[in-house]
Amino acid sequence: NAGVTQTPKFRVLKTGQSMTLLCAQDMNHEYMYWYRQDPGMGLRLIHYSVGEGTTAKGEVPDGYNVSRLKKQNFLLGLESAAPSQTSVYFCASSSGASGRYEQYFGPGTRLTVT
Amino acid sequence: AQTVTQSQPEMSVQEAETVTLSCTYDTSESDYYLFWYKQPPSRQMILVIRQEAYKQQNATENRFSVNFQKAAKSFSLKISDSQLGDAAMYFCAYRRGGGTSYGKLTFGQGTILTVHP
Repeated sequence: NAGVTQTPKFRVLKTGQSMTLLCAQDMNHEYMYWYRQDPGMGLRLIHYSVGEGTTAKGEVPDGYNVSRLKKQNFLLGLESAAPSQTSVYFCASSSGASGRYEQYFGPGTRLTVT
Repeated sequence: AQTVTQSQPEMSVQEAETVTLSCTYDTSESDYYLFWYKQPPSRQMILVIRQEAYKQQNATENRFSVNFQKAAKSFSLKISDSQLGDAAMYFCAYRRGGGTSYGKLTFGQGTILTVHP
Protein backbone atom coordinates (compact mmCIF):
# COMPACT_ATOMS: atom_id res chain seq x y z
CA ASN A 1 0.00 0.00 0.00
CA ALA A 2 1.27 3.45 -0.92
CA GLY A 3 -1.05 5.06 1.64
CA VAL A 4 -1.62 8.73 0.86
CA THR A 5 0.36 10.26 -1.98
CA GLN A 6 0.54 13.86 -3.16
CA THR A 7 1.56 15.31 -6.49
CA PRO A 8 3.67 17.41 -6.93
CA LYS A 9 6.07 17.58 -3.99
CA PHE A 10 7.29 21.09 -4.82
CA ARG A 11 5.97 23.87 -7.03
CA VAL A 12 6.75 27.51 -7.70
CA LEU A 13 3.99 29.67 -9.15
CA LYS A 14 3.77 33.28 -10.20
CA THR A 15 1.01 35.45 -8.83
CA GLY A 16 -2.17 34.90 -10.82
CA GLN A 17 -1.25 31.46 -12.14
CA SER A 18 -3.43 28.45 -11.45
CA MET A 19 -2.60 24.92 -10.45
CA THR A 20 -4.10 21.71 -9.09
CA LEU A 21 -2.69 19.57 -6.31
CA LEU A 22 -3.57 15.90 -6.49
CA CYS A 23 -4.08 13.65 -3.50
CA ALA A 24 -4.59 9.92 -3.87
CA GLN A 25 -5.24 7.23 -1.27
CA ASP A 26 -5.39 3.48 -1.71
CA MET A 27 -6.97 2.60 1.65
CA ASN A 28 -10.58 2.91 0.48
CA HIS A 29 -11.13 5.73 2.98
CA GLU A 30 -14.38 7.68 2.90
CA TYR A 31 -13.07 10.95 4.33
CA MET A 32 -10.35 13.15 2.87
CA TYR A 33 -8.94 16.50 3.94
CA TRP A 34 -6.71 19.31 2.76
CA TYR A 35 -4.68 21.29 5.31
CA ARG A 36 -2.15 24.06 4.98
CA GLN A 37 0.80 24.49 7.32
CA ASP A 38 2.27 27.90 8.01
CA PRO A 39 5.02 28.78 10.50
CA GLY A 40 3.65 29.42 13.99
CA MET A 41 0.11 28.43 13.01
CA GLY A 42 0.10 24.67 12.89
CA LEU A 43 -2.10 22.96 10.32
CA ARG A 44 -5.38 24.52 9.31
CA LEU A 45 -8.20 22.77 7.48
CA ILE A 46 -8.96 24.15 4.02
CA HIS A 47 -11.64 21.79 2.69
CA TYR A 48 -12.74 18.27 3.34
CA SER A 49 -14.86 15.53 1.79
CA VAL A 50 -16.99 12.87 3.45
CA GLY A 51 -17.44 10.78 0.34
CA GLU A 52 -17.24 10.64 -3.41
CA GLY A 53 -18.93 13.66 -4.97
CA THR A 54 -19.08 15.65 -1.72
CA THR A 55 -17.00 18.58 -0.48
CA ALA A 56 -17.27 21.02 2.41
CA LYS A 57 -15.45 24.12 3.62
CA GLY A 58 -13.00 24.06 6.45
CA GLU A 59 -11.44 26.86 8.45
CA VAL A 60 -9.59 28.67 5.63
CA PRO A 61 -11.36 27.90 2.31
CA ASP A 62 -11.02 31.24 0.52
CA GLY A 63 -9.02 31.12 -2.70
CA TYR A 64 -9.24 27.34 -3.03
CA ASN A 65 -11.60 24.92 -4.72
CA VAL A 66 -11.77 21.15 -4.40
CA SER A 67 -13.29 18.19 -6.16
CA ARG A 68 -13.78 14.52 -5.26
CA LEU A 69 -14.93 12.87 -8.48
CA LYS A 70 -13.44 9.52 -7.48
CA LYS A 71 -13.34 8.08 -3.98
CA GLN A 72 -9.59 7.66 -4.04
CA ASN A 73 -8.73 11.16 -5.28
CA PHE A 74 -9.14 14.61 -3.76
CA LEU A 75 -8.03 17.60 -5.82
CA LEU A 76 -7.16 21.05 -4.48
CA GLY A 77 -7.21 23.90 -6.97
CA LEU A 78 -5.84 27.41 -6.85
CA GLU A 79 -7.52 29.47 -9.58
CA SER A 80 -5.40 32.62 -9.17
CA ALA A 81 -2.46 32.08 -6.87
CA ALA A 82 -1.47 34.79 -4.38
CA PRO A 83 1.71 35.13 -2.29
CA SER A 84 -0.43 34.52 0.82
CA GLN A 85 -0.96 30.98 -0.46
CA THR A 86 2.72 30.17 -0.09
CA SER A 87 2.58 27.25 2.30
CA VAL A 88 3.03 23.53 2.76
CA TYR A 89 -0.12 21.64 1.84
CA PHE A 90 -1.04 18.31 3.38
CA CYS A 91 -3.67 15.87 2.31
CA ALA A 92 -5.05 13.31 4.75
CA SER A 93 -7.62 10.55 4.72
CA SER A 94 -9.53 8.54 7.28
CA SER A 95 -11.93 5.64 7.22
CA GLY A 96 -14.48 7.03 9.61
CA ALA A 97 -14.99 3.49 10.81
CA SER A 98 -15.67 2.69 14.47
CA GLY A 99 -15.58 6.33 15.43
CA ARG A 100 -11.83 6.28 15.47
CA TYR A 101 -11.30 8.55 12.46
CA GLU A 102 -7.52 8.30 12.62
CA GLN A 103 -6.08 10.45 9.87
CA TYR A 104 -3.30 9.29 7.59
CA PHE A 105 -1.25 12.07 6.05
CA GLY A 106 0.52 12.46 2.74
CA PRO A 107 4.10 13.75 2.49
CA GLY A 108 3.09 17.33 1.76
CA THR A 109 3.52 19.76 -1.14
CA ARG A 110 5.64 22.87 -0.71
CA LEU A 111 4.14 25.67 -2.78
CA THR A 112 5.81 29.02 -3.29
CA VAL A 113 3.96 31.88 -4.96
CA THR A 114 6.17 34.74 -6.14
CA ALA B 1 -15.01 27.01 18.18
CA GLN B 2 -12.39 24.77 19.63
CA THR B 3 -8.87 26.08 20.09
CA VAL B 4 -5.62 24.30 20.84
CA THR B 5 -2.66 26.17 22.31
CA GLN B 6 0.94 25.09 22.55
CA SER B 7 2.74 27.77 24.50
CA GLN B 8 6.27 26.42 24.00
CA PRO B 9 7.55 27.28 20.51
CA GLU B 10 10.81 25.46 21.23
CA MET B 11 12.08 22.94 23.74
CA SER B 12 15.36 21.12 24.15
CA VAL B 13 16.47 18.03 26.02
CA GLN B 14 19.62 16.03 26.54
CA GLU B 15 19.72 12.56 25.10
CA ALA B 16 18.40 9.97 27.61
CA GLU B 17 16.64 12.66 29.65
CA THR B 18 12.90 13.32 29.98
CA VAL B 19 11.02 16.24 28.46
CA THR B 20 7.42 17.37 28.72
CA LEU B 21 5.59 19.30 26.00
CA SER B 22 2.53 21.30 27.01
CA CYS B 23 -0.84 21.66 25.34
CA THR B 24 -4.08 23.26 26.45
CA TYR B 25 -7.38 23.26 24.64
CA ASP B 26 -10.72 24.90 24.89
CA THR B 27 -13.98 23.11 24.18
CA SER B 28 -17.52 22.88 25.47
CA GLU B 29 -17.85 19.30 24.27
CA SER B 30 -17.70 16.27 26.55
CA ASP B 31 -16.94 13.75 23.80
CA TYR B 32 -13.62 14.37 22.10
CA TYR B 33 -10.23 12.96 21.28
CA LEU B 34 -6.76 14.43 21.70
CA PHE B 35 -3.66 13.55 19.72
CA TRP B 36 0.04 14.23 19.55
CA TYR B 37 1.62 14.16 16.10
CA LYS B 38 5.33 14.18 15.32
CA GLN B 39 6.68 15.92 12.23
CA PRO B 40 10.36 15.18 11.56
CA PRO B 41 12.36 17.14 8.96
CA SER B 42 10.94 14.83 6.30
CA ARG B 43 7.58 16.64 6.88
CA GLN B 44 5.72 13.35 7.30
CA MET B 45 3.03 13.59 9.99
CA ILE B 46 3.27 10.65 12.37
CA LEU B 47 0.68 9.87 15.02
CA VAL B 48 2.45 9.45 18.36
CA ILE B 49 -0.37 8.95 20.82
CA ARG B 50 -4.13 9.32 21.20
CA GLN B 51 -6.33 9.96 24.24
CA GLU B 52 -10.09 9.51 24.42
CA ALA B 53 -11.69 12.09 26.71
CA TYR B 54 -13.97 9.52 28.34
CA LYS B 55 -10.98 7.48 29.51
CA GLN B 56 -9.51 8.57 32.81
CA GLN B 57 -6.38 6.52 32.33
CA ASN B 58 -3.53 8.34 30.65
CA ALA B 59 -2.44 6.85 27.32
CA THR B 60 1.07 5.45 26.93
CA GLU B 61 3.02 4.25 23.92
CA ASN B 62 6.45 2.93 24.83
CA ARG B 63 8.54 5.99 25.83
CA PHE B 64 5.67 8.39 25.17
CA SER B 65 2.97 9.11 27.71
CA VAL B 66 0.44 11.83 28.31
CA ASN B 67 -0.84 13.67 31.35
CA PHE B 68 -4.50 14.30 30.58
CA GLN B 69 -6.14 16.74 32.97
CA LYS B 70 -9.72 17.00 31.71
CA ALA B 71 -10.93 19.62 34.18
CA ALA B 72 -7.96 21.84 33.46
CA LYS B 73 -8.20 21.09 29.71
CA SER B 74 -4.54 20.20 29.64
CA PHE B 75 -2.87 17.48 27.60
CA SER B 76 0.90 17.26 27.96
CA LEU B 77 3.26 14.80 26.28
CA LYS B 78 6.12 13.26 28.21
CA ILE B 79 9.01 11.72 26.31
CA SER B 80 11.20 9.51 28.44
CA ASP B 81 14.75 8.41 27.62
CA SER B 82 14.90 10.92 24.77
CA GLN B 83 16.63 9.79 21.61
CA LEU B 84 18.17 11.77 18.76
CA GLY B 85 15.39 10.49 16.52
CA ASP B 86 12.82 12.23 18.70
CA ALA B 87 13.96 15.61 17.36
CA ALA B 88 11.01 17.00 15.43
CA MET B 89 8.10 19.41 15.49
CA TYR B 90 5.32 18.11 17.75
CA PHE B 91 1.70 19.07 17.25
CA CYS B 92 -1.15 18.69 19.67
CA ALA B 93 -4.53 18.16 17.98
CA TYR B 94 -8.18 17.96 18.99
CA ARG B 95 -11.12 16.23 17.38
CA ARG B 96 -14.72 16.44 18.49
CA GLY B 97 -16.40 13.09 18.96
CA GLY B 98 -19.49 11.90 17.14
CA GLY B 99 -20.19 11.22 13.49
CA THR B 100 -20.87 14.82 12.54
CA SER B 101 -17.33 15.86 13.38
CA TYR B 102 -16.22 14.00 10.25
CA GLY B 103 -12.84 13.51 11.85
CA LYS B 104 -11.79 17.12 11.44
CA LEU B 105 -8.70 18.01 13.43
CA THR B 106 -7.81 21.31 15.10
CA PHE B 107 -4.08 21.70 15.59
CA GLY B 108 -1.92 23.68 17.96
CA GLN B 109 0.92 25.87 16.74
CA GLY B 110 3.57 23.22 17.26
CA THR B 111 6.66 22.82 19.46
CA ILE B 112 10.10 22.26 17.98
CA LEU B 113 11.99 19.70 20.05
CA THR B 114 15.78 19.61 19.86
CA VAL B 115 17.65 16.65 21.33
CA HIS B 116 21.28 17.25 22.31
CA PRO B 117 23.73 14.33 22.30
